[in-house]
Amino acid sequence: KQEVTQIPAALSVPEGENLVLNCSFTDSAIYNLQWFRQDPGKGLTSLLLIQSSQREQTSGRLNASLDKSSGRSTLYIAASQPGDSATYLCAVTGGSYIPTFGRGTSLIVHP
Amino acid sequence: DTAVSQTPKYLVTQMGNDKSIKCEQNLGHDTMYWYKQDSKKFLKIMFSYNNKELIINETVPNRFSPKSPDKAHLNLHINSLELGDSAVYFCASSQEWGSTDTQYFGPGTRLTVL
Repeated sequence: KQEVTQIPAALSVPEGENLVLNCSFTDSAIYNLQWFRQDPGKGLTSLLLIQSSQREQTSGRLNASLDKSSGRSTLYIAASQPGDSATYLCAVTGGSYIPTFGRGTSLIVHP
Repeated sequence: DTAVSQTPKYLVTQMGNDKSIKCEQNLGHDTMYWYKQDSKKFLKIMFSYNNKELIINETVPNRFSPKSPDKAHLNLHINSLELGDSAVYFCASSQEWGSTDTQYFGPGTRLTVL
C-alpha cells in the first residue's frame, strides 16, 4: 500500500526566502507525482505534474524534482512571497490510477 | 467559467438526516471523483466514475451512494448521517480513466453533522 509523507508539516518563513518542501513515497511504481496548492476554504489547484519518466518540472518560481528510485520529490519555491502562503499537497498515482495524497505542508510567508 | 462546481458550499445538519451534495464539471471530462478530507487534512478518494459507470469504491459505507446522471454530473447522497461524516468533500474530474493527466478539483463542501 502506497504511503506518502510530507516534511515539514508546517513552515513559517520571511518573505524573500528560498524554500524546499519534501515528499517521500514508499512504492516507486508510480505513473506520476503531482504537487497541489490548497488555500483555506478552497479546492486544490495543480501546480506541477511530473510523469514517471521525467526528473523535474518548472513553472515560474516553482521547481519540482522527482527521484523515483529513492521515492522522493522536492518542491522548490524561489523568492517566496506572502501570496505563496497555503497548504502544499503531494500526490502520487500508481498502477491503480488512484492518487495517494500526503497530509501537506502548511506554509506561511510573512512580510 | 467555473470548471468544477459543487453545491452547497456549507452543509450543517443533524445526525440521522439524509443529505445530498451535487457536482458538475464543464470540462468535457469522462472521469469524476469524490474525495473526503478529514479534520487532519488527510485527503482520501471515495469513488470514481468513468462515463457514468462506477469504477472505484474505496470501502466506503453503503450509506454513501454516488449517482452519475450523465458524464458532467456526479452527485453524492448520504443516508443516516453520523458525527464521523463531518469533513470537507471534494469533487474532481479528469480527462479519462487511466489518464495520468491532472485532476481538476471543485471548491469543496464542508459538511458538519451535529
